[in-house]
Amino acid sequence: ETGVTQSPTHLIKTRGQQVTLRCSSQSGHNTVSWYQQALGQGPQFIFQYYREEENGRGNFPPRFSGLQFPNYSSELNVNALELDDSALYLCASSPDRASTDTQYFGPGTRLTVL
Amino acid sequence: AQSVTQLGSHVSVSEGALVLLRCNYSSSVPPYLFWYVQYPNQGLQLLLKYTTGATLVKGINGFEAEFKKSETSFHLTKPSAHMSDAAEYFCAVSPNSNYQLIWGAGTKLIIKP
Repeated sequence: ETGVTQSPTHLIKTRGQQVTLRCSSQSGHNTVSWYQQALGQGPQFIFQYYREEENGRGNFPPRFSGLQFPNYSSELNVNALELDDSALYLCASSPDRASTDTQYFGPGTRLTVL
Repeated sequence: AQSVTQLGSHVSVSEGALVLLRCNYSSSVPPYLFWYVQYPNQGLQLLLKYTTGATLVKGINGFEAEFKKSETSFHLTKPSAHMSDAAEYFCAVSPNSNYQLIWGAGTKLIIKP
């Protein structure tokens, strides 16, 4: 059973650019959540996808968007990058969307915006 | 709005000493409560969780936490610290019918030899 994987591990972009981050869920998991973790802070919920549809969203602007594919892998897209978008982006998969189900986290993608 | 407060951004204990990491939450309803650990350059790993039932929850690596509704607390403890426990620990809550985890700012645990 493979765990949650994310790519790339590190990324450097400049302000105004667009970025796509990828996440492969753990086998058998149909729900994926994305979090932003700024340096020295706890993660902030961005959104969750359940069976290819958005299942909830945190307090992030529309330039943060996502997709979930039939195989339950997922993408996070960020347009018009800002300096404050520099952070560790974590995805987590879970067997179902219920909050009691344990979320399994990937190692994260560290995004630096210059 | 719900929130999570972790007292102390850094906690330092000697190897073999008691570990106590504090977590208080604000919630209008009894929440689900979680402790996660994050080792350097790694993802978050679940230590333990409270959903319903027994208020003393045992987790991995010898950690346990007790849900105290009257104090709105969910402190994490371990009787004897080990060098391998050095990491950052996050407390998180989730409302009954919600999917969203709300996180504390984290506490970095430092183990002194």
